[in-house]
Amino acid sequence: QKEVEQDPGPLSVPEGAIVSLNCTYSNSAFQYFMWYRQYSRKGPELLMYTYSSGNKEDGRFTAQVDKSSKYISLFIRDSQPSDSATYLCAMSAGNTGFQKLVFGTGTRLLVSP
Amino acid sequence: DVKVTQSSRYLVKRTGEKVFLECVQDMDHENMFWYRQDPGLGLRLIYFSYDVKMKEKGDIPEGYSVSREKKERFSLILESASTNQTSMYLCASSSVAGLAGSAPHTQYFGPGTRLTVL
Repeated sequence: QKEVEQDPGPLSVPEGAIVSLNCTYSNSAFQYFMWYRQYSRKGPELLMYTYSSGNKEDGRFTAQVDKSSKYISLFIRDSQPSDSATYLCAMSAGNTGFQKLVFGTGTRLLVSP
Repeated sequence: DVKVTQSSRYLVKRTGEKVFLECVQDMDHENMFWYRQDPGLGLRLIYFSYDVKMKEKGDIPEGYSVSREKKERFSLILESASTNQTSMYLCASSSVAGLAGSAPHTQYFGPGTRLTVL
C-alpha cells in the first residue's frame, strides 16, 4: 500500500462547477499537508498548505484536513478552464531536521468552457 | 520569489551517451532533490542532498549519480543513457525554515527537463 493515495482521474467538469480533489494517507505522523498545481509540461508549483487538522481558504481554493480519517481535500469553487492542470497532494511529518515530502501521484483536472 | 532553474527544457540523447542535467537555485536552500515523473507513476525520488558534497539515494537511484559541489547547484548524471530513462526530470529545493507563508520543507520545483533517449 502506498503511503499516499490519490485518484489519477481525469476529472472532467464544466466551467463554474465546484471541484473536490482528495488524498488519503496512512502515516499518522504527517502534520503538514500541501497542494501543488502542475500545468502541462511545467514543474509543480505550491498552491497552498495546511498544518494539522482544519480548513484553510485562499480565494476560490479551500484545503481541508481530517487527521482522524487520514483524508485531505482541496475544493475549487467556480472552476475556470485555467484551473485545468494536475493537482498533487504532498505531506511531511514535521519541521525539524531533514524532511522529505511524500507525494500523491496527482489528479488530472479538466474544466471545459 | 524562489527560483529554481534547469539547464535544458528539452533534451534528446542517444543510448549509451553520458547525460548531465543541471539545477541551480537562488534561495540558499540546504536541500535539493532530483525526481523523475512518468504518467501513472507520479514523482519518484532519484537522489537528494541535504548539504554540499552530501548525497543520499532516493527510491530509484539505479543508473543515476549526482554531484553537489556548491550549495546552489545540484547535477544529475546518467552515466550511460538508456531508453527506459526517457522521462520528465524535475529538480526541487527546500529549506527547513520554509519561506514566509509556506510550510517548513516546502519544495520548490524547476520547470523540468523532458529527456528523450533514442
